[in-house]
Amino acid sequence: GIQVEQSPPDLILQEGANSTLRCNFSDSVNNLQWFHQNPWGQLINLFYIPSGTKQNGRLSATTVATERYSLLYISSSQTTDSGVYFCAAEGAQKLVFGQGTRLTINP
Amino acid sequence: DSGVTQTPKHLITATGQRVTLRCSPRSGDLSVYWYQQSLDQGLQFLIQYYNGEERAKGNILERFSAQQFPDLHSELNLSSLELGDSALYFCASSVGGGLGNEQYFGPGTRLTVT
Repeated sequence: GIQVEQSPPDLILQEGANSTLRCNFSDSVNNLQWFHQNPWGQLINLFYIPSGTKQNGRLSATTVATERYSLLYISSSQTTDSGVYFCAAEGAQKLVFGQGTRLTINP
Repeated sequence: DSGVTQTPKHLITATGQRVTLRCSPRSGDLSVYWYQQSLDQGLQFLIQYYNGEERAKGNILERFSAQQFPDLHSELNLSSLELGDSALYFCASSVGGGLGNEQYFGPGTRLTVT
């Protein structure tokens, strides 16, 4: 089945810094999604991005399906960006999550 | 507030018991998804229903079952509970029937099995 690996596992930054989170997946996938779980546990769907690049405010994501990776960029980080970021790969009617990157933004 | 509601918020029960978790999707959404989040297994997709029918199945144990009712709310039934079933169970909903649709998550039900 599909394997999904995220890096780094933890990232600590100062407010205003930029960050790049990576998601590698093992097989061809139909879809790649990014999610954010805030420190209170709420999950939010950030991007649905099977290929190409999408942007939403300070966040953008790029998926290179042929090389089996996706990147999530966060620019000008704010403390509200803290939490865990998950990517999930969809294939064969299954959605497989990575272990997440825990991002801490310090004021 | 995502518009997705889950009850109860917390549940404490004993091994061997059976529990039912309930999810009400956002108004107009036809799909309901169930997820389990535990320290051991991370975040796992369990199952998806679309307009009353099972659409996709993930790592759902045979001891677990789900259904979606005509009013589109969904229930996840967990039976013969084990300590390892302790986890946060999320429900999400979306308009469309694919796994790639934008999903809106409920606040979760925290299950503790003692």
